[in-house]
Amino acid sequence: ETGVTQSPTHLIKTRGQQVTLRCSSQSGHNTVSWYQQALGQGPQFIFQYYREEENGRGNFPPRFSGLQFPNYSSELNVNALELDDSALYLCASSNPDRGYYGYTFGSGTRLTVV
Amino acid sequence: SQQGEEDPQALSIQEGENATMNCSYKTSINNLQWYRQNSGRGLVHLILIRSNEREKHSGRLRVTLDTSKKSSSLLITASRAADTASYFCATDAHNNDMRFGAGTRLTVKP
Repeated sequence: ETGVTQSPTHLIKTRGQQVTLRCSSQSGHNTVSWYQQALGQGPQFIFQYYREEENGRGNFPPRFSGLQFPNYSSELNVNALELDDSALYLCASSNPDRGYYGYTFGSGTRLTVV
Repeated sequence: SQQGEEDPQALSIQEGENATMNCSYKTSINNLQWYRQNSGRGLVHLILIRSNEREKHSGRLRVTLDTSKKSSSLLITASRAADTASYFCATDAHNNDMRFGAGTRLTVKP
């Protein structure tokens, strides 16, 4: 059973650019959630995808968008990057259909916007 | 916005001592979970307690839940240097997300 993998691990972008982060969910998991974690803070919920449909969204602007693919992998896209977007982006997968609600997290992508 | 709030923000103990962290939350929940994070990496799921449970154990971990007070505690017994990490509580919310607190930074000195 593979865990959650995220790519890339580190990324530096310039303000105004666009970025795509990728996540491969754990085998058998059909739900992917994305979180933003600023330094010294807890993870903040961005959105969740369940079976390729957005299934909930946190308080993030529309320039944060996502996709989930038929194999349940996922992408997080951020347009018009701002300096405050610098953070650790975490992807987590789960399968609530199996009655288990614990999340398996990836190691994250560290995004720096300069 | 964050749902859970951990207390204390930071805790420093000696190896072998017990560590207790508390979590308070604001709205009703279906379950509450505790996670550990080492050095800004991914979070590791420790334990889940459902709203109809009052106490749960897993190895050296003991979690309690008091839904009337909207609070939970995580006890780590016989702590080890390897337990040094940030600990977060997370609660489910209406829009299918897990809401995390700001965490407790635990340091276990050898």
